[in-house]
Amino acid sequence: QSVLTQSPSASGTPGQRVTISCSGSSSNIGSNTVNWYQHFPGTAPKLLIYSNGHRPSGVPDRFSGSKSGSSASLAISGLQSDDEADYYCAAWDDSLNGYVFGAGTMVTVL
Amino acid sequence: EVHLVESGGGLVQPGGSLTLSCAASGFTFHEYAMTWVRQAPGKGLEWVSGIDDNDGRTYYADSVKGRFTISRDNSKNTLYLVINSLRAEDTAIYYCAKPRLRLVPAAIAYGMDVWGQGTTVTVSS
Repeated sequence: QSVLTQSPSASGTPGQRVTISCSGSSSNIGSNTVNWYQHFPGTAPKLLIYSNGHRPSGVPDRFSGSKSGSSASLAISGLQSDDEADYYCAAWDDSLNGYVFGAGTMVTVL
Repeated sequence: EVHLVESGGGLVQPGGSLTLSCAASGFTFHEYAMTWVRQAPGKGLEWVSGIDDNDGRTYYADSVKGRFTISRDNSKNTLYLVINSLRAEDTAIYYCAKPRLRLVPAAIAYGMDVWGQGTTVTVSS
């Protein structure tokens, strides 16, 4: 069981806004930055958001991230069919002295 | 262009050993910490291990501590992961990944921006 809690699934119709939450604790999200990854199974994961809310070059501004206390969220606006993927939050955990991923949220475009 | 290419995966019997390699190119390898992440069938991403750039300090997930050893050869731009006492639950795709930032303590914490395509390890008798 992951130390970062994500809802297992989220869905929306094309054009809608979908929000994915990630809940942690003071030893991980509460004291370190949050990163988000997009993963299509069988391919290399992709860094989507780093340091809570920053997008790497090439990531559309439809994707946004935020953090408050020991929780973080990823929002996808203007949902598109090719956004169907698994999304993972991740952060360094000071207690575990390691990097931890959430269990992932599968986003479905209806 | 930055590239990471994993190799060394395969079918191994329980209790066996395996050495995974990750060949890096397109960046100054010795200036970056490196890390291994795996995904078991039907499961999510799991961070496995990391190694710093400078002092070679190593980090391990509790699930692999004592059985996995991460190392690097900066002269060969290659990252390694030695896996001993393999268990069925080690069956996974193993990815190596490069942090976004270089020459920064705990660089892994700031996100991994380049990933290899993965190498598959299957533990079965």
